[in-house]
Amino acid sequence: GAGVSQSPRYKVAKRGQDVALRCDPISGHVSLFWYQQALGQGPEFLTYFQNEAQLDKSGLPSDRFFAERPEGSVSTLKIQRTQQEDSAVYLCASSAVGAFGSPLHFGNGTRLTVT
Amino acid sequence: KNQVEQSPQSLIILEGKNCTLQCNYTVSPFSNLRWYKQDTGRGPVSLTIMTFSENTKSNGRYTATLDADTKQSSLHITASQLSDSASYICVVIIGGGADGLTFGKGTHLIIQP
Repeated sequence: GAGVSQSPRYKVAKRGQDVALRCDPISGHVSLFWYQQALGQGPEFLTYFQNEAQLDKSGLPSDRFFAERPEGSVSTLKIQRTQQEDSAVYLCASSAVGAFGSPLHFGNGTRLTVT
Repeated sequence: KNQVEQSPQSLIILEGKNCTLQCNYTVSPFSNLRWYKQDTGRGPVSLTIMTFSENTKSNGRYTATLDADTKQSSLHITASQLSDSASYICVVIIGGGADGLTFGKGTHLIIQP
């Protein structure tokens, strides 16, 4: 069975480059979340979609971060002009209708290293 | 700022032994509490979901307890196996907005043969 798929698994970017991270959620899952996880830390919320609507982007650390989910399935997290502090694992998670009564299904993440 | 505190930060035990991981939280109003297992290089995987009214829930060798009065939860692992080596993350949900999921920093568990 297909779970949440993220690509690429690893990304090395030079400071100042733009990157795009992709998330394929479980088919039919309405809710999609992006998290940032620093080494040794728990995931930190970035943004949330319900279908194609971005309902909450309060966790995005700056206007260099942008996320979209235009057709309510695949989502892309874009980081412009990357900086070293952006280095982290970016996790995508999806869940069935509503996020609070059903478990989140996480992808394996994209490890971003900014040099 | 973190309203979900986990202890210990790391733990090493011998294969076959039992262990208990702790989670204390201050977030409110409480909706439900979850334990996730995160293997190295993988995304977290749900172990249990507990609502306000549940005191204990088991999933195989994993048993979670919840005391909503003292705002404490524990995850007990019995007869540990090498594959239990992972980080265990406690997540408290207060409902409302999508940022209502508050993650702990996790306990890093190592099982030694």
